[in-house]
Amino acid sequence: AQSVTQLGSHVSVSEGALVLLRCNYSSSVPPYLFWYVQYPNQGLQLLLKYTTGATLVKGINGFEAEFKKSETSFHLTKPSAHMSDAAEYFCAVSRANQAGTALIFGKGTTLSVSS
Amino acid sequence: DAGVIQSPRHEVTEMGQEVTLRCKPISGHNSLFWYRQTMMRGLELLIYFNNNVPIDDSGMPEDRFSAKMPNASFSTLKIQPSEPRDSAVYFCASRPGQGANTEAFFGQGTRLTVV
Repeated sequence: AQSVTQLGSHVSVSEGALVLLRCNYSSSVPPYLFWYVQYPNQGLQLLLKYTTGATLVKGINGFEAEFKKSETSFHLTKPSAHMSDAAEYFCAVSRANQAGTALIFGKGTTLSVSS
Repeated sequence: DAGVIQSPRHEVTEMGQEVTLRCKPISGHNSLFWYRQTMMRGLELLIYFNNNVPIDDSGMPEDRFSAKMPNASFSTLKIQPSEPRDSAVYFCASRPGQGANTEAFFGQGTRLTVV
């Protein structure tokens, strides 16, 4: 069964510092992986996704993630944090079974950015 | 497109009352999902539909919860009777097609408080 684990429920960085949010997946088949962002009192918004092809995926707002099969990881990074990046971030895997497909989410990581 | 539309945005109800949450997916999307978000459990998949047919309801917590999708443009999640532990944010999401490589689009959520 496919699943994701997000390491660290809370990450704090200073404005301008590197952002690194960790996600490891478990899947017996090649996974489809996603990162979503949730701002307060909002729904989830797609940041980026990995399906096939290039393992370094670029998303919106300067975020990118690298799919590493050998490490079963899909960590999210941004070179320089901005105050507006403060939000909750979710990693997700697309679960495929006989019943169909659905997105299964990790527990989320809250990113705080200080000035 | 207006995106996924959920109503109401906020609902406060007394324990024992029936609660109905509503969702209008994006036109043309044929997969629909209901998720529940709490601090303790994160984002849980409750049920999802393909072409208006329930495919996997294994995430529905109890018989008190039921979901329907009478047509391609409308779905409901009903809780009867409601309990304080049902307090959470409930999200509806829709997805084009059934491919595992497509992202889900989320509504703004319904914040349910059961007192």
